[in-house]
Amino acid sequence: AQSVTQLGSHVSVSEGALVLLRCNYSSSVPPYLFWYVQYPNQGLQLLLKYTTGATLVKGINGFEAEFKKSETSFHLTKPSAHMSDAAEYFCAVSPTLNFGNEKLTFGTGTRLTIIP
Amino acid sequence: DAGVTQSPTHLIKTRGQQVTLRCSPISGHKSVSWYQQVLGQGPQFIFQYYEKEERGRGNFPDRFSARQFPNYSSELNVNALLLGDSALYLCASSLTRSDTQYFGPGTRLTVL
Repeated sequence: AQSVTQLGSHVSVSEGALVLLRCNYSSSVPPYLFWYVQYPNQGLQLLLKYTTGATLVKGINGFEAEFKKSETSFHLTKPSAHMSDAAEYFCAVSPTLNFGNEKLTFGTGTRLTIIP
Repeated sequence: DAGVTQSPTHLIKTRGQQVTLRCSPISGHKSVSWYQQVLGQGPQFIFQYYEKEERGRGNFPDRFSARQFPNYSSELNVNALLLGDSALYLCASSLTRSDTQYFGPGTRLTVL
């Protein structure tokens, strides 16, 4: 069984400030972890993913996330927020290969607002 | 390369009606998954199809059904629509069952 908890349904940061979106997961098997972004009235766009190997993962648009197994966390960060970062962000987990049932389980999302 | 495409973009139905949503995966992708996203929530898994067979099903009633065609496109059918079926329906494709899923823009279904 898998689940994702995103702390903070709404986060506001000033333009140029650090962005930190929190994600904790629960998984009975080794997980794959993802961050997706959703702009208004659009589908989901993959930001980054962790599968195996390096625990610090870099994605598009300057975002990165670090997989911390001991903390069961996969927080998303960006050093300097841009107005274009305003969107809904979803953390998701799926089981690794060969465990079957490769569905994505999503968190409830965090709406990021950028203050000019 | 074209991404995942879905049709229609929007549709409005009344309670009790039936609806069919369509999805074309990225070229070369053999797996299609369907998700329901109710307003204000994260997407919920409905089905996964791979090589034209159902490989996974989420906690949805039998009113929901799907199929995958030889060209790997897919349809999602919902019968006896309820108000609670109003949502954004997302299709995602991947090379295989366990590869990264890429999402389409979704179909916005409104049930009146």
